[in-house]
Amino acid sequence: DTAVSQTPKYLVTQMGNDKSIKCEQNLGHDTMYWYKQDSKKFLKIMFSYNNKELIINETVPNRFSPKSPDKAHLNLHINSLELGDSAVYFCASSLRQTNEKLFFGSGTQLSVL
Amino acid sequence: AQKVTQAQTEISVVEKEDVTLDCVYETRDTTYYLFWYKQPPSGELVFLIRRNSFDEQNEISGRYSWNFQKSTSSFNFTITASQVVDSAVYFCALSEAGGGSEKLVFGKGTKLTVNP
Repeated sequence: DTAVSQTPKYLVTQMGNDKSIKCEQNLGHDTMYWYKQDSKKFLKIMFSYNNKELIINETVPNRFSPKSPDKAHLNLHINSLELGDSAVYFCASSLRQTNEKLFFGSGTQLSVL
Repeated sequence: AQKVTQAQTEISVVEKEDVTLDCVYETRDTTYYLFWYKQPPSGELVFLIRRNSFDEQNEISGRYSWNFQKSTSSFNFTITASQVVDSAVYFCALSEAGGGSEKLVFGKGTKLTVNP
């Protein structure tokens, strides 16, 4: 069983479209995250949720809206996609929000044309 | 503000060579955590180690070892007798403690290529 699974693995879309990436973890963790990895491999946190509550919102454009229906799921919805949104998006989870190691999903490669 | 610097962008070695990946960090906190992650060509991120700021003991795990020195704010990673499968991007990361909104800040990564 995959611990942190995210879908889809690849997402190719046109500018201006709206898309969602789903993430689920079966580890029983309390905290989930979205990280963005740009073309230069730089990893930066976007959001974190603890037990469905938004904890970190790291100056991300409001076109990005995370949604956590329960603590095992954290989805990322992106409105009005722009070329600069092209990146790999990683979902991750940790046992608690305090400095535990992160378990990452396999990433979603988003390409905006 | 917390910051992690991995000055080596790319390193290329021949199999069986030892290689050290440097990591220098900045933080104002006295309690913090340091991590290393590996990202092989397949793209997933694999946890390697977590260290808290009060534990300066060096750690060895098989061919991997880590040297944590608070005096120089460094947390270097050495691979002994490198193998082709060690080829990956390696990330050092830092998390400051407290407040409940801890976040992991990554360095820019070092791409290691191990040639046969």
